[in-house]
Amino acid sequence: GIQVEQSPPDLILQEGANSTLRCNFSDSVNNLQWFHQNPWGQLINLFYIPSGTKQNGRLSATTVATERYSLLYISSSQTTDSGVYFCAGGQGAQKLVFGQGTRLTINP
Amino acid sequence: DAGITQSPRHKVTETGTPVTLRCHQTENHRYMYWYRQDPGHGLRLIHYSYGVKDTDKGEVSDGYSVSRSKTEDFLLTLESATSSQTSVYFCAVSTGTGGWETEAFFGQGTRLTVV
Repeated sequence: GIQVEQSPPDLILQEGANSTLRCNFSDSVNNLQWFHQNPWGQLINLFYIPSGTKQNGRLSATTVATERYSLLYISSSQTTDSGVYFCAGGQGAQKLVFGQGTRLTINP
Repeated sequence: DAGITQSPRHKVTETGTPVTLRCHQTENHRYMYWYRQDPGHGLRLIHYSYGVKDTDKGEVSDGYSVSRSKTEDFLLTLESATSSQTSVYFCAVSTGTGGWETEAFFGQGTRLTVV
């Protein structure tokens, strides 16, 4: 089945900094999602982005399906952005597979 | 949040006892899933359902069974709980008719501890 690899595993930044999180997948996907798991454990949908670019406020995401990767950009980080960011990919009838996550810590 | 409610939210149980977790959705979604989340493993699929009485196994299904007798409820049963099943369990739904190809939304999770 598909493999999903996220980098970096950990990222520590100061408030106001920008960051880029990457998700590589081993095969083509027709479902690609980014989630934020907050400190209370809740999984929050950020983007459904099997291809192309989307933006939502300070967050944006780009998926280059032909090269099998997706990027999540966070600009002007705030402490509330802290948590774990997951990408998950799926292919055809195969199940949504999660990466191991990137733990982001934003210090004031 | 796609109208998903998980119950209970927290449970402590003894080794060897059966446990049932409930996922309830209010928006008539066809596809429902159970995942578990463990440190170092991310989220892994246990079982999923693509309709009433239609279920299938995920990658970590051993020791678990599921049932879906009506659209809104998807039950996960640990037949005889073991310490290795201590985990956080998430229910999810797909919001489109295409199943895996559509956006998934997750419930708030159930923290299960087996002692």
